Amino acid sequence: AQKITQTQPGMFVQEKEAVTLDCTYDTSDPSYGLFWYKQPSSGEMIFLIYQGSYDQQNATEGRYSLNFQKARKSANLVISASQLGDSAMYFCAMREASTGGGNKLTFGTGTQLKVEL
Amino acid sequence: KAGVTQTPRYLIKTRGQQVTLSCSPISGHRSVSWYQQTPGQGLQFLFEYFSETQRNKGNFPGRFSGRQFSNSRSEMNVSTLELGDSALYLCASSAQVSSYEQYFGPGTRLTVT
Repeated sequence: AQKITQTQPGMFVQEKEAVTLDCTYDTSDPSYGLFWYKQPSSGEMIFLIYQGSYDQQNATEGRYSLNFQKARKSANLVISASQLGDSAMYFCAMREASTGGGNKLTFGTGTQLKVEL
Repeated sequence: KAGVTQTPRYLIKTRGQQVTLSCSPISGHRSVSWYQQTPGQGLQFLFEYFSETQRNKGNFPGRFSGRQFSNSRSEMNVSTLELGDSALYLCASSAQVSSYEQYFGPGTRLTVT
């Protein structure tokens, strides 16, 4: 089974509108972390936001927020007030404590976001 | 503070050759992880080093190896290159093990012909 599932290969959004990128995960580990990264066409992965499995509140970082629904095993990224510069590939990733600790991330297949005027 | 640097940025090799890629983490960071990104397999974890010790290894053949030096710089080596090794190789650095932030470098794009 896929550990991280991103069901939206591509998304379009109008500039200044909000957009939600979906991510579901599968783990039996009670301790895990969820990450979102942005990858522009240049290739570099840019860290956006992190949510720990024990965090009570949804994480927020500027225009990014993570809608964490633990029982549903979903960790959707919400981008408010989209900008043209938000056009990129977005990856959801998970780190599980059971993989021996460390910083090993398992990534989803990504969602290509295109922001239009 | 300088970011993660990777050299070279682009590389073309022939099947059967070997290649060494380098990653310099952010100053003070002791953990370096390597990932392979291909259109078919997506992003896959290769290995992680912390304080010169390999902490974790992904599901890759023994042709893929790595090491970390005392200054935290890391190298990965791929021997007997195959066409399927063509990929973007990304390096990430973290201050500690299980850090909530990993900073990625720009990657090395390897093409095997």
